[in-house]
Amino acid sequence: EVQLVQSGAEVKKTGESLKISCKGSGYRFTSYWIGWVRQMPGKGLEWMGSIYPGDSDTRYSPSFQGQVTISADKSISTAYLQWSSLKASDSAMYYCARSFGYGDSALGYWGQGTLVTVSS
Amino acid sequence: QSVLTQPPSVSGAPGQRVTISCTGSSSNIGAGYDVHWYQQVPGTAPKLLIYDNSNRPSGVPDRFSGSKSGTSASLAITGLQAEDEADYYCQSYDSSLSGSRVFGGGTKLTVL
Repeated sequence: EVQLVQSGAEVKKTGESLKISCKGSGYRFTSYWIGWVRQMPGKGLEWMGSIYPGDSDTRYSPSFQGQVTISADKSISTAYLQWSSLKASDSAMYYCARSFGYGDSALGYWGQGTLVTVSS
Repeated sequence: QSVLTQPPSVSGAPGQRVTISCTGSSSNIGAGYDVHWYQQVPGTAPKLLIYDNSNRPSGVPDRFSGSKSGTSASLAITGLQAEDEADYYCQSYDSSLSGSRVFGGGTKLTVL
């Protein structure tokens, strides 16, 4: 069974750094794209970027390029989303999701989400 | 403002049929990119409902169907059930954003 398990909720201060994780299991981690999706409170879904753990090929939405870093450690089947300096506007739920098939296709399997709260 | 436009809300009585539209442009749906649909029950993670315009993943009831034509796509739900009450999102890709994945703004379905 394909599973994506995300790290727990985070409460941080503005200016702090943060790295959240998404551990995949039940499939060959290196063969499928993993994407990150932001959902701000009461708002819709926003694609942030995706990574192919097999060769670390990474794509970013223009809206998030330079704002976050997506990485993966294939030795532990884990993808990461990180910020170097958080802003209050980064407060949101963040989901990781695996491509349904080969290629950067539909997001077929989703993690449970990681809630990030940033305050001053 | 989302690149893909969806109605903010739709509603229907149990047993009825509803459709949710997703309107794009020549740089996304009209360029031939596939459309996917997701269902999100409040407080839970999204779930893939339709992929590649009209295909259902295993386990998704055949009450859900998708179609695409020109610069638009639609999700149809027949035999509406109370459990269908959720937010629905379409998703495609946009060549003007370097092929980035783009979501519609979402549609809240209310079962009356």
